[in-house]
Amino acid sequence: AQSVSQHNHHVILSEAASLELGCNYSYGGTVNLFWYVQYPGQHLQLLLKYFSGDPLVKGIKGFEAEFIKSKFSFNLRKPSVQWSDTAEYFCAVNDKTGANNLFFGTGTRLTVIP
Amino acid sequence: DAEITQSPRHKITETGRQVTLACHQTWNHNNMFWYRQDLGHGLRLIHYSYGVHDTNKGEVSDGYSVSRSNTEDLPLTLESAASSQTSVYFCASSTGHNYGYTFGSGTRLTVV
Repeated sequence: AQSVSQHNHHVILSEAASLELGCNYSYGGTVNLFWYVQYPGQHLQLLLKYFSGDPLVKGIKGFEAEFIKSKFSFNLRKPSVQWSDTAEYFCAVNDKTGANNLFFGTGTRLTVIP
Repeated sequence: DAEITQSPRHKITETGRQVTLACHQTWNHNNMFWYRQDLGHGLRLIHYSYGVHDTNKGEVSDGYSVSRSNTEDLPLTLESAASSQTSVYFCASSTGHNYGYTFGSGTRLTVV
């Protein structure tokens, strides 16, 4: 079964700092990869996704992620964070050819200090 | 605009009572899912459905059931609510593997 690891539980940054959140998955087959964001009190929204092609994926609000197949990683990055990026971020994976079930990591809480 | 709605937004119930959480989507998605979100656990899959009359158990299905009588709705029933089921519940729908999920706004359930 797939599993997703997000090693950073809580990250605190000052505005304009660069962000990188780690995500590693465990699965031997081909996968689709996703990052979701959950702003305080809200539901999850899709930030970006990778399913084929260029391993560097650009999403909304200036976020990007790079799929490194050899490292089973899909880290999320943003060059300069804003206070409004304060949220919880979830990495997720599903099997391209199997059941359409998303497996989520435990999430990383990002706090941006103005 | 298409949407996915959950009701109620907040619910307090007593231990042992049966509770049903509603999920309704107008995306015409075949795939629907229920997750619970708990601190330190992220989102865990409870039940899912790939179409009308199809239901499947997820990772944490004990004490929960679902039914799918039409494309739009996937209600989640707690047969006999327990304090361990206090959580935030999210419904989601999807059209396929490559598209990710669209989530509802969640239901915060407290079992006292």
